[in-house]
Amino acid sequence: DAGVIQSPRHEVTEMGQEVTLRCKPISGHDYLFWYRQTMMRGLELLIYFNNNVPIDDSGMPEDRFSAKMPNASFSTLKIQPSEPRDSAVYFCASSHGINSATDTQYFGPGTRLTVL
Amino acid sequence: GESVGLHLPTLSVQEGDNSIINCAYSNSASDYFIWYKQESGKGPQFIIDIRSNMDKRQGQRVTVLLNKTVKHLSLQIAATQPGDSAVYFCAETREGNFNKFYFGSGTKLNVKP
Repeated sequence: DAGVIQSPRHEVTEMGQEVTLRCKPISGHDYLFWYRQTMMRGLELLIYFNNNVPIDDSGMPEDRFSAKMPNASFSTLKIQPSEPRDSAVYFCASSHGINSATDTQYFGPGTRLTVL
Repeated sequence: GESVGLHLPTLSVQEGDNSIINCAYSNSASDYFIWYKQESGKGPQFIIDIRSNMDKRQGQRVTVLLNKTVKHLSLQIAATQPGDSAVYFCAETREGNFNKFYFGSGTKLNVKP
């Protein structure tokens, strides 16, 4: 399996522009997670989905952020409009879902976003 | 607020020595703990996990110890290798929601050849 796939790997944009980050989870995983990593705040969970349905979006910083999962193999995280403080590495992760603690979250390589 | 606590210390060890990375947590309702390794430019990689009803779990060259009395978690790496150099994060889940991970701030491990 190729693991979790994210694109783009790097994104540089100007303040006010719309940014779309993409994720393909591991096939067969029914949970998908979006995280943000910064030096100041570490690794933060933004939102997660189960079977394409958003379960917990309490970590989404503000209305400028939105996430969708139109099918089991694709998710997007959108920032509109982007601001310099959104600069971070954004990770997508997927899992079977933890019921017995025998599986866990597998992370993609991340998208490094820089907003100028 | 309550959190899994690391303040990004750096641990330097000699190749071949054993490493111990520590993590303190503050939430008594934490029920599942996970260690991740993150190499530069990559996503976190699962190392080992432990449920709150256990106090020790072993993997290949790694051991996780859980002390619920003092809310302390440690990762022991035996015979540390240069490839072990990375940032290590502990994470926890709370109150039965095993899908919501709370990550600590990480410890950087430097392995000197």
